[in-house]
Amino acid sequence: EPEVTQTPSHQVTQMGQEVILRCVPISNHLYFYWYRQILGQKVEFLVSFYNNEISEKSEIFDDQFSVERPDGSNFTLKIRSTKLEDSAMYFCASSELVGNTEAFFGQGTRLTVV
Amino acid sequence: GESVGLHLPTLSVQEGDNSIINCAYSNSASDYFIWYKQESGKGPQFIIDIRSNMDKRQGQRVTVLLNKTVKHLSLQIAATQPGDSAVYFCAENNNAGNMLTFGGGTRLMVKP
Repeated sequence: EPEVTQTPSHQVTQMGQEVILRCVPISNHLYFYWYRQILGQKVEFLVSFYNNEISEKSEIFDDQFSVERPDGSNFTLKIRSTKLEDSAMYFCASSELVGNTEAFFGQGTRLTVV
Repeated sequence: GESVGLHLPTLSVQEGDNSIINCAYSNSASDYFIWYKQESGKGPQFIIDIRSNMDKRQGQRVTVLLNKTVKHLSLQIAATQPGDSAVYFCAENNNAGNMLTFGGGTRLMVKP
């Protein structure tokens, strides 16, 4: 069964450093997403991406965040200067269609900022 | 993918019993709803979805009920098994965009 894969599974970084979280969405999917989940809290939407541009983003997704699809298979989330409060699980998801359709989630990357 | 939340509501059921997990959603414009299951260390896994033009949908051992009048969604799991132990999230989408808004989650614990 096709799945969304994320690397690394766990990333530890020092405050102020840049991190790049990587995702390989399901191959025939056209819509890509990043969500995050701070420990003990609900899953929160960060950004959606379609046709090589951001289609929607939340208030969390400020200037410190960026997304890119550098090639035909990878989808990345970059945090330019990490803060302690960026520590969370980051989930990539993809869907075949937009809106009322199932989004498939990856296993997540646990980001720990120290 | 852990949702180790000290404040997560918890439902504890005996193996073989039926489970009902409830969710109140906030946006009356939402027209698509999904239930996700999240096991420790994993990402959310799709269970079942329902569109706003329906009030009930059944899958294998699971049923989702939608009450738009009171903005309430429930997930029923028949003959609950130990493998059903996880945190369950409802999520809503208003079709104006493509973001899912997740609820706070309920931890289901199945006692053998």
